[in-house]
Amino acid sequence: GDSVTQMEGPVTLSEEAFLTINCTYTATGYPSLFWYVQYPGEGLQLLLKATKADDKGSNKGFEATYRKETTSFHLEKGSVQVSDSAVYFCALSVTRIVGRGGSNYKLTFGKGTLLTVNP
Amino acid sequence: GAGVSQTPSNKVTEKGKYVELRCDPISGHTALYWYRQSLGQGPEFLIYFQGTGAADDSGLPNDRFFAVRPEGSVSTLKIQRTERGDSAVYLCASSLGGMNEQFFGPGTRLTVL
Repeated sequence: GDSVTQMEGPVTLSEEAFLTINCTYTATGYPSLFWYVQYPGEGLQLLLKATKADDKGSNKGFEATYRKETTSFHLEKGSVQVSDSAVYFCALSVTRIVGRGGSNYKLTFGKGTLLTVNP
Repeated sequence: GAGVSQTPSNKVTEKGKYVELRCDPISGHTALYWYRQSLGQGPEFLIYFQGTGAADDSGLPNDRFFAVRPEGSVSTLKIQRTERGDSAVYLCASSLGGMNEQFFGPGTRLTVL
């Protein structure tokens, strides 16, 4: 089945430090890859995505590149801020044919990585 | 505009009781997903609706869990004979369908005593 393995946390950094959160995946099929973020007290939000090999997703200074050869989608940011403190989830979606010819685009998530950025 | 809303935000119940969790998707979104997030884990898929029908319910853990979406908008997740292991945050997400972005609600935290 499909699965996502991401770097275990928690991760604690000082402001302006470089961030990497590793994510690797296993999928039966060609997945789209996502990073979701959950800020304290808020719901899950899409941070960035990539739909094919070598695509780079980017948003709010975060980047991740879809690496098919290493089945990875590592999240990076060059200079983190206190406001980046949150839980980050790597996820994938593989189109599955279900039922009467429909398709399911469910997300499969990793366990999440708690990032704390100190001033 | 209004996002996905879920009610109640918190539900405490006793073992063996029946509960209903409600999801109001974004207006016009035809696809609706339910996920369950246990402590320290990522969300796990439960069921997917396209319109009124449950297109894929393969993630429901057992027959105590059931969900409906009778008019293709609001959905209700129903859990019979609750068990302590059902305690989790239940998340709902909606989208325009296909690979369009799924927008998540704030979740319902269910605690079974």
